[in-house]
Amino acid sequence: GQNIDQPTEMTATEGAIVQINCTYQTSGFNGLFWYQQHAGEAPTFLSYNVLDGLEEKGRFSSFLSRSKGYSYLLLKELQMKDSASYLCAVSDSNYQLIWGAGTKLIIKP
Amino acid sequence: ETGVTQTPRHLVMGMTNKKSLKCEQHLGHNAMYWYKQSAKKPLELMFVYSLEERVENNSVPSRFSPECPNSSHLFLHLHTLQPEDSALYLCASSQIVSQGANVLTFGAGSRLTVL
Repeated sequence: GQNIDQPTEMTATEGAIVQINCTYQTSGFNGLFWYQQHAGEAPTFLSYNVLDGLEEKGRFSSFLSRSKGYSYLLLKELQMKDSASYLCAVSDSNYQLIWGAGTKLIIKP
Repeated sequence: ETGVTQTPRHLVMGMTNKKSLKCEQHLGHNAMYWYKQSAKKPLELMFVYSLEERVENNSVPSRFSPECPNSSHLFLHLHTLQPEDSALYLCASSQIVSQGANVLTFGAGSRLTVL
């Protein structure tokens, strides 16, 4: 079967760095997405990786290793507004999105 | 209005009621989706309307019925629901291209409670 694993919850301190991991086992691979979802709000697109390596976008970076079936989202200089759930999703061979259950990130002052 | 809008934001219904959720996208996208989001579970794709075709998850009960009258509007008709159907229902849209990232734009969701 197809599966996406990510931690259920993480806690970090304002100003620090946090890495949210995502491992996947899917039928084929056509890219990996990260979305951010604040409580009570719509998920919003953060990043897309289809080739191995690191993609940097401001304070957020996303890394992909296709051979290891692994990605991480790196958040730097954490701010209180970064408290949210982070969803990992993989596009499989049929371009269907397989979703993880999300990681709830709690930022403490 | 911009993006994807969903109404109502909150809905409480009894098991014998009939109600509908509405979604409208203002992005000119060619695909629309219904997802179910339950606590601590992955997003569950219910229905997709893409390029005039409907694709459905065969595990979705028949008490959920989608309708897509045009490329900008999507409805989810609810009938004889069960308490386990209580969840956040998310609508999304995207512009499907032959290759490349299919980035979804989500609405804020309709929080459904079935009593």
